[in-house]
Amino acid sequence: QKEVEQNSGPLSVPEGAIASLNCTYSDRGSQSFFWYRQYSGKSPELIMSIYSNGDKEDGRFTAQLNKASQYVSLLIRDSQPSDSATYLCAVKTPRGSARQLTFGSGTQLTVLP
Amino acid sequence: DGGITQSPKYLFRKEGQNVTLSCEQNLNHDAMYWYRQDPGQGLRLIYYSQIVNDFQKGDIAEGYSVSREKKESFPLTVTSAQKNPTAFYLCASSIESGEWNYGYTFGSGTRLTVV
Repeated sequence: QKEVEQNSGPLSVPEGAIASLNCTYSDRGSQSFFWYRQYSGKSPELIMSIYSNGDKEDGRFTAQLNKASQYVSLLIRDSQPSDSATYLCAVKTPRGSARQLTFGSGTQLTVLP
Repeated sequence: DGGITQSPKYLFRKEGQNVTLSCEQNLNHDAMYWYRQDPGQGLRLIYYSQIVNDFQKGDIAEGYSVSREKKESFPLTVTSAQKNPTAFYLCASSIESGEWNYGYTFGSGTRLTVV
């Protein structure tokens, strides 16, 4: 079982729709969760972080966390063509004294004009 | 502006050659990381360093080596022992490796190709 799994893509949504990206993780010791956006050929950039169960909203983005189900998701409302990118879920897990990010393989999102 | 600088942006390696990828940060971060990304794949951890003069192997360290002589610098050497080095290499840093509530900041990456 992979430590961090994301829903298989690619995912296509029409402009203005809600895009839903899902992620599950296996280590119950994980305490913090991050979503990165990666445009083709570029490096990942952090767009959301969430640490507590429930929802966290930032503009058009909402992150949702359910630690009991080991599930984290990202909703993008009013999707725009500029949101077309690969979205990486990252989970911080303990590694000895360190807290390391483990990344999922990403979900490629295309927003169709 | 603070950030992470990776160089070169593109690098070509001949068979049997060692090459070194540079990573410099001016964020005053303690921890630094090297990841490899293959097409359509996620990020895999090569090496990480929590403090100067100390580093640990990640999940795919074979064929790679690192040093951490200065807080700001964490160069990665891809040795001839790495048989399939063609990939996108990303350097990252974080404030302190023991903290939960900080993500990583990434450099712009180095694309390495074997010729």
